[in-house]
Amino acid sequence: RKEVEQDPGPFNVPEGATVAFNCTYSNSASQSFFWYRQDCRKEPKLLMSVYSSGNEDGRFTAQLNRASQYISLLIRDSKLSDSATYLCVVKATDSWGKLQFGAGTQVVVTP
Amino acid sequence: DTAVSQTPKYLVTQMGNDKSIKCEQNLGHDTMYWYKQDSKKFLKIMFSYNNKELIINETVPNRFSPKSPDKAHLNLHINSLELGDSAVYFCASSQGVGTGGNTIYFGEGSWLTVV
Repeated sequence: RKEVEQDPGPFNVPEGATVAFNCTYSNSASQSFFWYRQDCRKEPKLLMSVYSSGNEDGRFTAQLNRASQYISLLIRDSKLSDSATYLCVVKATDSWGKLQFGAGTQVVVTP
Repeated sequence: DTAVSQTPKYLVTQMGNDKSIKCEQNLGHDTMYWYKQDSKKFLKIMFSYNNKELIINETVPNRFSPKSPDKAHLNLHINSLELGDSAVYFCASSQGVGTGGNTIYFGEGSWLTVV
């Protein structure tokens, strides 16, 4: 079983709609969680950290469910520029900052 | 100003050759990484250096040898290249390691194709 699993998509989303997707992780000792965004043929960039109580950053909302070991990302009022691959990233407490990346969920926002 | 820069961006080379990828960061970070992203898009860590000390060394063929001359530089040398080495190699840096949400900043990637 992969340490971090994501639905690869693509999620085809009309502009202005809401899209949400999850990521599951296998290591219950994981303490830090992030969503990174990767555009086609570009480097990953931090989108947002995920806090235990859930957090929002503009149109983006991240949630953490420790009991079920998953995190989620919701994008409201999707823009064409939101088209990208969203990488779920998990860091365990017993590592030297070693991050486990999911393979990503592709989102395609259409006009 | 590019925070994490790596060269070359594209590299096409024949099997059996030896090649190097260079990386520099101007963020003042003390930790640098090499990640590999294969055709299935998984990003996997290969190496990490903290203050020039190797702290993460994943199961990587010993044909891959990192070298950190100082905190701002982390180079990757690959001997006897194989077809399976074709991938995108990302250099990255962060301030600090271990627990906490230290943001990792990636370079633009080096596209290596072995023919």
